[in-house]
Amino acid sequence: NAGVTQTPKFRVLKTGQSMTLLCAQDMNHEYMYWYRQDPGMGLRLIHYSVGEGTTAKGEVPDGYNVSRLKKQNFLLGLESAAPSQTSVYFCASSYWPANQETQYFGPGTRLLVL
Amino acid sequence: GQQVMQIPQYQHVQEGEDFTTYCNSSTTLSNIQWYKQRPGGHPVFLIQLVKSGEVKKQKRLTFQFGEAKKNSSLHITATQTTDVGTYFCAGLNQAGTALIFGKGTTLSVSS
Repeated sequence: NAGVTQTPKFRVLKTGQSMTLLCAQDMNHEYMYWYRQDPGMGLRLIHYSVGEGTTAKGEVPDGYNVSRLKKQNFLLGLESAAPSQTSVYFCASSYWPANQETQYFGPGTRLLVL
Repeated sequence: GQQVMQIPQYQHVQEGEDFTTYCNSSTTLSNIQWYKQRPGGHPVFLIQLVKSGEVKKQKRLTFQFGEAKKNSSLHITATQTTDVGTYFCAGLNQAGTALIFGKGTTLSVSS
């Protein structure tokens, strides 16, 4: 039981390049979330999904897209990376809505955009 | 928009001293969760409070939920170096589908 895993762990991009971050969970959770963490800013919700095939915007969705084609996977895409997207990205999942259930976080992906 | 605020942002204590972080919401919360993130790590769930005025303890950690369900606190008694990290509170967003995190309080402890 690996819990929540994220790929890659670290990536360096040039401005304008694209990439996809992969989150996978093996706990059969319905809800999945993508956060970014910047110094002094805490965890800010980018997008989330309440089930397979669904996605919704969070606090800071601009510049990102997501897909949830399979229940266990939640992908975060950057179509044209910008230096402002340099951050640590965390994926999380929970079985029920966040108010009823613990969120389990992945180990994070460190992204540097030059 | 809905906000969850935490104070202080940083706190340094000597080992053995007590520590408290406070969390305030702009709206009434159905419940509140607390997470701890060790340096270089990911957030890990500590506890959830649901009832107005609820108090829960985990060894040296005491969590409180305000009577009006708009504020909460985490108190650590006799801090240890293992308590180092950032403590986040989180409340449910208005849609009821995701958590809004405070900016966290980073605790450092010197021995």
